[in-house]
Amino acid sequence: DSGVTQTPKHLITATGQRVTLRCSPRSGDLSVYWYQQSLDQGLQFLIQYYNGEERAKGNILERFSAQQFPDLHSELNLSSLELGDSALYFCASSVSTSPSGELFFGEGSRLTVL
Amino acid sequence: GNSVTQMEGPVTLSEEAFLTINCTYTATGYPSLFWYVQYPGEGLQLLLKATKADDKGSNKGFEATYRKETTSFHLEKGSVQVSDSAVYFCALSPKGGGADGLTFGKGTHLIIQP
Repeated sequence: DSGVTQTPKHLITATGQRVTLRCSPRSGDLSVYWYQQSLDQGLQFLIQYYNGEERAKGNILERFSAQQFPDLHSELNLSSLELGDSALYFCASSVSTSPSGELFFGEGSRLTVL
Repeated sequence: GNSVTQMEGPVTLSEEAFLTINCTYTATGYPSLFWYVQYPGEGLQLLLKATKADDKGSNKGFEATYRKETTSFHLEKGSVQVSDSAVYFCALSPKGGGADGLTFGKGTHLIIQP
């Protein structure tokens, strides 16, 4: 158990819809990272938050947004969903702002868009 | 930009065989290098890491040496077990952190047969 909690574990929805994925980081960790894992693209970095503020942005689509709340949990919002958004979305956390240390990953949220 | 290339899988071996999973990287400067492992149905977890040239990371019988001259970080284990069956990801983090989070390879699926 990494200490990172993600909900829901599985989500099935239709194209055009909007979903929210939630992540609670490990106790004491201030940084939260979101990754998308798909068969063809592998593991892609989406965005990082540190103590409530956006820290780094990767290959995140404009239809996607995220935020980190004062209690440090984070939400990833995916809107106008397309079939290609079907993937496993991971949240990870770390103590510092830099990913040069260890990242602790949740078990992921599997999104299926029909 | 930064990139990680690792051998395609699946890699199928018999129990007690010797394992090598190749990983090479492209990055400016001297990044930190990692191997993460993902067991079925779980998130990624750190297996080992090395933060400077010639460092050797080791854990659970796995080893990898940071080779600056060949920009490689190959994963090895002398005698694999069925319980080592998993997906293995090579990753890098730019020195001092970076705006891209961790950059991962596409993963190598390892299957160990009894």
